[in-house]
Amino acid sequence: GESVGLHLPTLSVQEGDNSIINCAYSNSASDYFIWYKQESGKGPQFIIDIRSNMDKRQGQRVTVLLNKTVKHLSLQIAATQPGDSAVYFCAEKRDNNDMRFGAGTRLTVKP
Amino acid sequence: EAQVTQNPRYLITVTGKKLTVTCSQNMNHEYMSWYRQDPGLGLRQIYYSMNVEVTDKGDVPEGYKVSRKEKRNFPLILESPSPNQTSLYFCASSSGRLGGANVLTFGAGSRLTVL
Repeated sequence: GESVGLHLPTLSVQEGDNSIINCAYSNSASDYFIWYKQESGKGPQFIIDIRSNMDKRQGQRVTVLLNKTVKHLSLQIAATQPGDSAVYFCAEKRDNNDMRFGAGTRLTVKP
Repeated sequence: EAQVTQNPRYLITVTGKKLTVTCSQNMNHEYMSWYRQDPGLGLRQIYYSMNVEVTDKGDVPEGYKVSRKEKRNFPLILESPSPNQTSLYFCASSSGRLGGANVLTFGAGSRLTVL
């Protein structure tokens, strides 16, 4: 079941440092994963995706790592900037071809 | 501009008064979905639709209905809203070219308060 009032995991980093946001997924058969960024007052926006036949994928300042052995996904943000402050969600594509989202992590960048 | 449009953006209503939150996308996407977002619980799926006339329950469908009569529209209906449906609601869509959901485009959200 779900818990009411669960605190959102948070990560606080200094501007210019690298950030690593982690996500554990549940289904070993999931073959597609996406990271989304949600800024205050907006809907989530796509950052980067990765398929299960890959271990790593790089974008502009972002890298996603996939460890299928332990069902773990991470998002690395290089040289974190104030504009990176947001809630980050991982999502996995389930057996029924639907998307399931994690609870999210709030990233705060300190100047 | 490619987008998902939700209306209303903000609504305060009373228990039991039926309401509909509309969602429309202009990208010819097959897949559409509704989520609710509550503090600490992330995005929880209410209903989704793989294509016209095909809808399925998500993780928290109780108290909600949907319909998909046309490809572009996917309204969320609360027949008899209750205070526990106070939440921030998001509609999203994606192409179904790989089968089902892919990269989702989200609407701006609809904040609903039920008194």
